Amino acid sequence: DAGITQSPRHKVTETGTPVTLRCHQTENHRYMYWYRQDPGHGLRLIHYSYGVKDTDKGEVSDGYSVSRSKTEDFLLTLESATSSQTSVYFCAISDQTGGLDEQYFGPGTRLTVT
Amino acid sequence: KQEVTQIPAALSVPEGENLVLNCSFTDSAIYNLQWFRQDPGKGLTSLLLIQSSQREQTSGRLNASLDKSSGRSTLYIAASQPGDSATYLCAVDSGAGNMLTFGGGTRLMVKP
Repeated sequence: DAGITQSPRHKVTETGTPVTLRCHQTENHRYMYWYRQDPGHGLRLIHYSYGVKDTDKGEVSDGYSVSRSKTEDFLLTLESATSSQTSVYFCAISDQTGGLDEQYFGPGTRLTVT
Repeated sequence: KQEVTQIPAALSVPEGENLVLNCSFTDSAIYNLQWFRQDPGKGLTSLLLIQSSQREQTSGRLNASLDKSSGRSTLYIAASQPGDSATYLCAVDSGAGNMLTFGGGTRLMVKP
């Protein structure tokens, strides 16, 4: 298994509170991604990073911000959580060297906003 | 905008049967296509990656094919087993930052 951990694994929070999810990798891969998975919508990209301090928006970035101060850590922040952000959040990594573009996923974080 | 579709959404087969899962995409200008497996409540496990220059990839009982011109990929599972029961997802990388566009998945149940 790729060395990807996510924390916390489960979280319940109230509307309007800030929430930060952490993704940590031990593979030294350059690219990191945050996806959300919802019934009826499948997996959708929120933000991604192509290096330390280099990030860009994905398909559903509104309401989310990210930061990457170290190669191994990619943080996803919900500044003011809303019920529509109740979802399962997955982090993924890829290397993109020598044609090895495979993405590897973490175990997920189940977030409930009440 | 790339769109990825997987049909059927659910499939139930008896153990031992060979089966094919389908994936179609609207924009043929892809970089690669990846097949994943997801067990209930778990993360995604990468099964196979086919680069745009390849026609197929094999891993054990799994064989994935790619026809870019028609916008289709298939995942063939030989001699299915109950342990193959899971949701199978295909995802297309169109080359912009290696971002994946996912299909909705096919939920497979293999009955003993």
